[in-house]
Amino acid sequence: SAVISQKPSRDICQRGTSLTIQCQVDSQVTMMFWYRQQPGQSLTLIATANQGSEATYESGFVIDKFPISRPNLTFSTLTVSNMSPEDSSIYLCSVETDRAYNEQFFGPGTRLTVL
Amino acid sequence: EDKVVQSPLSLVVHEGDTVTLNCSYEVTNFRSLLWYKQEKKAPTFLFMLTSSGIEKKSGRLSSILDKKELFSILNITATQTGDSAVYLCAVGDYKLSFGAGTTVTVRA
Repeated sequence: SAVISQKPSRDICQRGTSLTIQCQVDSQVTMMFWYRQQPGQSLTLIATANQGSEATYESGFVIDKFPISRPNLTFSTLTVSNMSPEDSSIYLCSVETDRAYNEQFFGPGTRLTVL
Repeated sequence: EDKVVQSPLSLVVHEGDTVTLNCSYEVTNFRSLLWYKQEKKAPTFLFMLTSSGIEKKSGRLSSILDKKELFSILNITATQTGDSAVYLCAVGDYKLSFGAGTTVTVRA
């Protein structure tokens, strides 16, 4: 497994502002992902964070709204831009530590509330 | 479109009971099925299943996969209040599709 940290753990933001969430892993990993979990819902994949290139977004998610950076194999950020109350969710990063096993481990999550 | 369906959506049991959670799936790219336990924010990894018919066990939890019928079950025996959580099933390759989860409440 891997030790994954996320910052901030929670935040309350005003609509129209942006928030950047950081994900740090204690070892180098090939695959990093960002998920969203809206209240009462299950997890939905936002994008795959690719090291050294643009993230790969899932249907319904766009780079202008959720820009992602991945400068190295242990760190990634997700920005939630121009926030509205509908963006209130838990945002989670996950990593796959070994391509041979396809096990994904999740960070502690960031609970975002947009007023 | 990938589909992962979990049942039941919720259940309430008493300590000591056994629960069985179901997960059925239809996905384009299957590599593994994963079970997670979610208590607050972060899902905690429980099992990864790739082969049919091989039971995985961890303490009071066990799980098995049927790739022919496209489903998996997660069993929890001798339940404890600490087992109260949402149990998530996820299927796919490196991109996972999640089910809606089963909320398990264990009463003392």
